[in-house]
Amino acid sequence: GAVVSQHPSWVICKSGTSVKIECRSLDFQATTMFWYRQFPKQSLMLMATSNEGSKATYEQGVEKDKFLINHASLTLSTLTVTSAHPEDSSFYICSAAGAPADTQYFGPGTRLTVL
Amino acid sequence: SQQGEEDPQALSIQEGENATMNCSYKTSINNLQWYRQNSGRGLVHLILIRSNEREKHSGRLRVTLDTSKKSSSLLITASRAADTASYFCATFGANSKLTFGKGITLSVRP
Repeated sequence: GAVVSQHPSWVICKSGTSVKIECRSLDFQATTMFWYRQFPKQSLMLMATSNEGSKATYEQGVEKDKFLINHASLTLSTLTVTSAHPEDSSFYICSAAGAPADTQYFGPGTRLTVL
Repeated sequence: SQQGEEDPQALSIQEGENATMNCSYKTSINNLQWYRQNSGRGLVHLILIRSNEREKHSGRLRVTLDTSKKSSSLLITASRAADTASYFCATFGANSKLTFGKGITLSVRP
């Protein structure tokens, strides 16, 4: 399958700072990228869907001003958690899909801990 | 909102035994997929079964889909310790999104 990378794999930051997470599709052009959030021992919850060159579509209840998503190219999407707070601590996973989008390739995830 | 619901929530078996995991969902789907997640890691795509398919095989994996009952099962035959992980079913519907179930924790004892 296709390879998707995420960077960083883990990050610890102070409350109030912003954190950027990168998601890259390494060997294919991703028409669509997805960002998920996973709490310990729970399922993945879709946060937003992004298409290259257009604004991301956020799921209900996800604050778009807090979780900024940029999909600058067909191989790169970034998620910026702005003014992070301890409740934002979670495992963030991205996925990338070509067309059709029914097969998604997942990155290894980023563990965010906000102190 | 979650679409798939797996059961059991946790399963512990001996190496060499078969593991059966079930998933039920609520709305119509285009396909259903199963993923594996090792602790603290990303998801690995295992198998996809389309709504017009009833059974699919991939190596030691066998997936069934019953759209009339809105349910699917994943069978792992001759389990190995390395199969220890969390398994998620995910449905893909007309909204072009994957919706994940809560997951099943499989422990395979050596």
